[in-house]
Amino acid sequence: DVKVTQSSRYLVKRTGEKVFLECVQDMDHENMFWYRQDPGLGLRLIYFSYDVKMKEKGDIPEGYSVSREKKERFSLILESASTNQTSMYLCASSSGGLAGVFSYNEQFFGPGTRLTVL
Amino acid sequence: QQPVQSPQAVILREGEDAVINCSSSKALYSVHWYRQKHGEAPVFLMILLKGGEQKGHEKISASFNEKKQQSSLYLTASQLSYSGTYFCGTESRLQGAQKLVFGQGTRLTINP
Repeated sequence: DVKVTQSSRYLVKRTGEKVFLECVQDMDHENMFWYRQDPGLGLRLIYFSYDVKMKEKGDIPEGYSVSREKKERFSLILESASTNQTSMYLCASSSGGLAGVFSYNEQFFGPGTRLTVL
Repeated sequence: QQPVQSPQAVILREGEDAVINCSSSKALYSVHWYRQKHGEAPVFLMILLKGGEQKGHEKISASFNEKKQQSSLYLTASQLSYSGTYFCGTESRLQGAQKLVFGQGTRLTINP
């Protein structure tokens, strides 16, 4: 079974702190994604990566950055956390590389990290 | 722009049927469907591609009308395990990076 793990289920941080959310997948997938989930808004894509050291902006990249130094690990960074970044953050992965980023391959999601910024 | 799902919520009795719709203002290349149970990660149900190809659950059926830029998910003879929030994700092949954009979700409750 594909397994996508996230470093924390719950996280509480203060405004202005630098926050790292880590995601690891164990199925050698090329593609990895970061979404945030808010009530009534569904899943919104923050960033995605189709290869090591490659990244593409999603729909709401402002206030976030990402890092992918190894194939299995994709990190989301909040440089200076703000209260409007309080949300559920979901990581996902899929196989296929750039050619198959979305069209052909299902995404496997991690359990999510509920981040609260005070 | 996010696709619009309808209805936003539906309550059924076990054994009844449900249809969840997903509509986009953009020309679509593919539509993905996922289900999320409360407190759990979204789980893949189906991918429908332009041209008719499908990948997914044997027990789930869906349609993709490319002209109307719509997809529908059909849940027949619903079971208690079908409860959850259903999301469609749409992919458009326009200029610029391809993106999968999810709808706001449809909450399905199945009662005994």
